[in-house]
Amino acid sequence: EPEVTQTPSHQVTQMGQEVILRCVPISNHLYFYWYRQILGQKVEFLVSFYNNEISEKSEIFDDQFSVERPDGSNFTLKIRSTKLEDSAMYFCASTLAASYNEQFFGPGTRLTVL
Amino acid sequence: AQTVTQSQPEMSVQEAETVTLSCTYDTSENNYYLFWYKQPPSRQMILVIRQEAYKQQNATENRFSVNFQKAAKSFSLKISDSQLGDTAMYFCAFISHGSSNTGKLIFGQGTTLQVKP
Repeated sequence: EPEVTQTPSHQVTQMGQEVILRCVPISNHLYFYWYRQILGQKVEFLVSFYNNEISEKSEIFDDQFSVERPDGSNFTLKIRSTKLEDSAMYFCASTLAASYNEQFFGPGTRLTVL
Repeated sequence: AQTVTQSQPEMSVQEAETVTLSCTYDTSENNYYLFWYKQPPSRQMILVIRQEAYKQQNATENRFSVNFQKAAKSFSLKISDSQLGDTAMYFCAFISHGSSNTGKLIFGQGTTLQVKP
């Protein structure tokens, strides 16, 4: 069964460093998302991506964040200068259509900023 | 803006019993979809059940069913014959079906369910 994969599973970085979180969505999916979950809290939408551009972003997704689909398979989230408060679980999701269809989530990347 | 509220941070149930998790939401839209996701200790997000707002019939998936009350903007999840493997955090979520829909999921705060042997 096809699945969304994410690497790395855990990333530890120093404050101010850049990190890139990688995701491989399901191959025939068209809509891609990043969500964030601070430990023990709710899952928050960061950004949606369709047709090679951002279709919506949240207030959290400021200039420090960027997304890219560089090669038609990978979908990356870059944080340019990490802050302590960026420590969270980051989930990638993909779906075939933007509403009814199930969003398939990856296993997440735990980001720890020291 | 749409919001989703889960007022029960934690619940517990005995194995084989039935439990109901509550969810309310706020939207001015008429067309939307509602979901329950399960997040076990592995942190993987797993879809449990979904409901289209235009359908009056409540969705059912095996031991999982919902009570969808559109006028009250309520969407509760009933788990029958609870099993130890149901222990997880459960999130209620909303997706708009408007013309500008990008498919973003709006989640509630989550309810941690503990199934006791």
